[in-house]
Amino acid sequence: DAGVTQSPTHLIKTRGQQVTLRCSPISGHKSVSWYQQVLGQGPQFIFQYYEKEERGRGNFPDRFSARQFPNYSSELNVNALLLGDSALYLCASSWPGRFSGNTIYFGEGSWLTVV
Amino acid sequence: DAKTTQPNSMESNEEEPVHLPCNHSTISGTDYIHWYRQLPSQGPEYVIHGLTSNVNNRMASLAIAEDRKSSTLILHRATLRDAAVYYCILRGVSGNTPLVFGKGTRLSVIA
Repeated sequence: DAGVTQSPTHLIKTRGQQVTLRCSPISGHKSVSWYQQVLGQGPQFIFQYYEKEERGRGNFPDRFSARQFPNYSSELNVNALLLGDSALYLCASSWPGRFSGNTIYFGEGSWLTVV
Repeated sequence: DAKTTQPNSMESNEEEPVHLPCNHSTISGTDYIHWYRQLPSQGPEYVIHGLTSNVNNRMASLAIAEDRKSSTLILHRATLRDAAVYYCILRGVSGNTPLVFGKGTRLSVIA
């Protein structure tokens, strides 16, 4: 079975531009989350979506937005890019079980460089 | 969110056991202890989790202190492929809470 897939794997954007990152969760997983990982730091939570609704949001500005589609895939959009947005963007999927034991599976990420 | 404290880095020889410590003195009674690791150029991957009792799986063992204020991830025989950043994370009982990562422990394995 395919794992969490993300695209593109690498991209370079200019300050002020907009970027869209895409994620396909593991088949059967209905919950998708997005994380940002700056070099040398652990991943930071951005958004969680379940059944096309936002279920959680981290401490990120409104320039960051996301959505989930009926097939449970997801997009992360970042507007008005800043140099500080340069990071690895990770998508994670899980079956939203009732208890904390549900495993979260991560994709390999999209490397965004803003110049 | 409850916080964890881990050493920045550790080193191990190949084929020797590795004990990765984690302190979580403010853990609540319903927090699970999760471990994830991140290999170079990859996303994090689940290793193991537990609540009160020690846990074993094919990847590792998790030893939890009786007062739950600390835990230790045990890799029984380190291989070069185990070189990664290991994250100790507390997670509430609800299955939908996001993971809160710290900086983790960077494990180096020497051949």
